[in-house]
Amino acid sequence: GNSVTQMEGPVTLSEEAFLTINCTYTATGYPSLFWYVQYPGEGLQLLLKATKADDKGSNKGFEATYRKETTSFHLEKGSVQVSDSAVYFCVVSAGGTSYGKLTFGQGTILTVHP
Amino acid sequence: GAVVSQHPSWVICKSGTSVKIECRSLDFQATTMFWYRQFPKQSLMLMATSNEGSKATYEQGVEKDKFLINHASLTLSTLTVTSAHPEDSSFYICSARYSGRNNEQFFGPGTRLTVL
Repeated sequence: GNSVTQMEGPVTLSEEAFLTINCTYTATGYPSLFWYVQYPGEGLQLLLKATKADDKGSNKGFEATYRKETTSFHLEKGSVQVSDSAVYFCVVSAGGTSYGKLTFGQGTILTVHP
Repeated sequence: GAVVSQHPSWVICKSGTSVKIECRSLDFQATTMFWYRQFPKQSLMLMATSNEGSKATYEQGVEKDKFLINHASLTLSTLTVTSAHPEDSSFYICSARYSGRNNEQFFGPGTRLTVL
């Protein structure tokens, strides 16, 4: 089956610092890749996605590029804000007969200080 | 749009009792919903796929007689934890797949179950 390995946290940064959260995956076929975010007290929300190799997903200043050759989908943001404090999950979506089934990484807790 | 609710948001029950958790898609219809379990500081684990009008598909290692899933309408799926034990204490999260938004899954806020 599919699997996702995420950079372990927690990650603590000062406001306006550069953020990278590493993510690598194993999957068969042609999976779609996602980053989901879970803000304190809220449900999971889709942050960004990429559906094929070399696609770049972006949203709210966050970016991630689907790298098939390195099976990676690292999340980056040039300047984080306090409001970015949350748990971030790298996710792989299966295709074929398991269409739509999501496999989650272990999550990375991000805390941004003023 | 594409809001998913869960009820209750938290529940405490005695060991041996059964608990029902509801998952509703409020403004769209969902033929497919998913149930996940999240342990503290750990990832979400897919428990089962709930299909409207048919039996749920359980992931390997998930006891179907323990975790009963019913998807009786296009907006409601329920998860019943039967004869709950303390080891069933966890955070249960559902999601609903929305065909009108490229089959994106929208997640509920979760239900915290504590079994005493």
